[in-house]
Amino acid sequence: GNSVTQMEGPVTLSEEAFLTINCTYTATGYPSLFWYVQYPGEGLQLLLKATKADDKGSNKGFEATYRKETTSFHLEKGSVQVSDSAVYFCALTTGDSGGYQKVTFGTGTKLQVIP
Amino acid sequence: EPEVTQTPSHQVTQMGQEVILRCVPISNHLYFYWYRQILGQKVEFLVSFYNNEISEKSEIFDDQFSVERPDGSNFTLKIRSTKLEDSAMYFCASSLQGGKRQPQHFGDGTRLSIL
Repeated sequence: GNSVTQMEGPVTLSEEAFLTINCTYTATGYPSLFWYVQYPGEGLQLLLKATKADDKGSNKGFEATYRKETTSFHLEKGSVQVSDSAVYFCALTTGDSGGYQKVTFGTGTKLQVIP
Repeated sequence: EPEVTQTPSHQVTQMGQEVILRCVPISNHLYFYWYRQILGQKVEFLVSFYNNEISEKSEIFDDQFSVERPDGSNFTLKIRSTKLEDSAMYFCASSLQGGKRQPQHFGDGTRLSIL
């Protein structure tokens, strides 16, 4: 089956620090990979995605590169802000058909950025 | 930007009662999903729905659960005879197309509390 493993949180950083949240996966087939973010009191928002090996997804200063050889999709940001405080979920979908695709999520990593 | 809307944001229900969670997916989307997140745990897939029928359901989605698309805009999750362990955040999602590359768009969730 499919599974996603994320680093345990919470991660506490000072403003302008460098962020890495590790994510590794196991999957049947060739997955597409996603990072979702959940700000306090809000739903899940797609942050970025990558659909094939060596693709780099990026958005709002966040980046993640699809590494097939290490089955990883680590999230990085060069300089975090207080407004980045949220829970970050690594996720994947698999399957080659054009039909529905359920998302498999990691446990989420809470990021706290302090001024 | 179009979004998935869920109502209510918080539902408190006595054990054994029926509850209906409501979702309005993005208007031109064709695939619909429910997920749940028990406090402190992973976001888990419940069910996918396409072309007015269930495409897949997880082992969590037993006979007490049902989904319906009663009109062209709403998508509901009904839980009959609720149990304490049904307390969770329930997320609705939709996607325009199928396929693993299509991101799912999530609502803000309904927090269900069973007393």
